[in-house]
Amino acid sequence: QITLKESGPTLVKPTQTLTLTCTFAGFSLSSYGVGVTWVRQPPGKAPEWLGFIYWNEEKAYSPSLKNRLTITKDTSKNLVVLTLTNLEAVDTGTYYCAYIVSDYFAPWGQGTQVIVSS
Amino acid sequence: YVLTQPPSVSVAPGQTATITCGGRNIGSKTVHWYQQRPDHAPVVVVHDDNVRPSGIPERISGSKSGSAATLSVSRVEAGDEADYYCQVWDSTSEHVVVFGGGTRLTVL
Repeated sequence: QITLKESGPTLVKPTQTLTLTCTFAGFSLSSYGVGVTWVRQPPGKAPEWLGFIYWNEEKAYSPSLKNRLTITKDTSKNLVVLTLTNLEAVDTGTYYCAYIVSDYFAPWGQGTQVIVSS
Repeated sequence: YVLTQPPSVSVAPGQTATITCGGRNIGSKTVHWYQQRPDHAPVVVVHDDNVRPSGIPERISGSKSGSAATLSVSRVEAGDEADYYCQVWDSTSEHVVVFGGGTRLTVL
């Protein structure tokens, strides 16, 4: 059974850097074809794709965020890390990681809430 | 790339809800659908245009024409009340993965 769980700070100040961790079980990010994605959802809005990382270190980022966003993995610890710099209020929302199945996402983690406020 | 969904759809219990997802050349793309209940993560209910994952009731189905993808929920129940999002993976666009704006299904 594949499970993912996000963790990190709930409240972050503007201009600070956000670091979120996705801890997963049930698969290995060193296995061929395996990937994990990050998606966020502002309150009351649709999900927004942020980026992904694959077993072979292939990565892609949303063009609107790629100057601020980095996704890395630690295969030995079964985790993926999202780093988002120079936070603004518009970065407020629930952040999810999810397992990539060809070109859709299942399952998703439960999500972690991030509030950007001074 | 933009996916357009109606903001809301309302149906009475037992009726059929139809949710559309429009996008340029969507007929050439593979469409996936997610259901999101309040305070829960999205769950895929249809993938690859019309494939239902195990555990998703047969009342939920997907289809696609050249101009739009459609999610249908027949014999609607109170438990179907949720937000529904379509999604495509568009490697020809800068935005590799795109979600629709979402449709709130309300059961009257």
